[in-house]
Amino acid sequence: EDKVVQSPLSLVVHEGDTVTLNCSYEVTNFRSLLWYKQEKKAPTFLFMLTSSGIEKKSGRLSSILDKKELFSILNITATQTGDSAIYLCAVAQGGNAGNMLTFGGGTRLMVKP
Amino acid sequence: GAGVSQSPSNKVTEKGKDVELRCDPISGHTALYWYRQRLGQGLEFLIYFQGNSAPDKSGLPSDRFSAERTGESVSTLTIQRTQQEDSAVYLCASSPLRSTDTQYFGPGTRLTVL
Repeated sequence: EDKVVQSPLSLVVHEGDTVTLNCSYEVTNFRSLLWYKQEKKAPTFLFMLTSSGIEKKSGRLSSILDKKELFSILNITATQTGDSAIYLCAVAQGGNAGNMLTFGGGTRLMVKP
Repeated sequence: GAGVSQSPSNKVTEKGKDVELRCDPISGHTALYWYRQRLGQGLEFLIYFQGNSAPDKSGLPSDRFSAERTGESVSTLTIQRTQQEDSAVYLCASSPLRSTDTQYFGPGTRLTVL
């Protein structure tokens, strides 16, 4: 069965801290891995990773994929209270798996002032 | 430009009633997806539409759930004879043909079945 597992489940840090969120996966026909930020209801797209070892970066956020070890990390440096959200990892599969995304359970991040 | 929109934003219904949820995708996006998110959990895939192809209904949990889409526009998700376990946020997403993995989500409809 395809699965995506995120850790930790939740995390509380103070402003200025650096956090690392983890996502591991076991799926058939891996095609890409995506990170989303969910603050209220709508997940907003952060990154899509398809190639191993290539870091994607946007401001204080960065992510990297390891296709050999089947995991990805999302780093947030100099955290701010506005980073408080649920971070979702999802995997897209090719072949007969269709086009849906398989999501992990999310990591709830709380950044305290 | 306008993002994915969904209506209603909240729906409270009684067990056994039917509900209809609506999704307006981003203009020009050929693919449309419905997901369900129960409280404190990740998103579960329900159904996927791509252009005029037959939809992928593999995620629908029971025959009480159905969805329609007219061409590349609006989609409706219908839940018949609602049960309390149907309570969740129902999220719709759309993606362009050239990048179907990058799905853009709407704000969701929070369904509460009493």
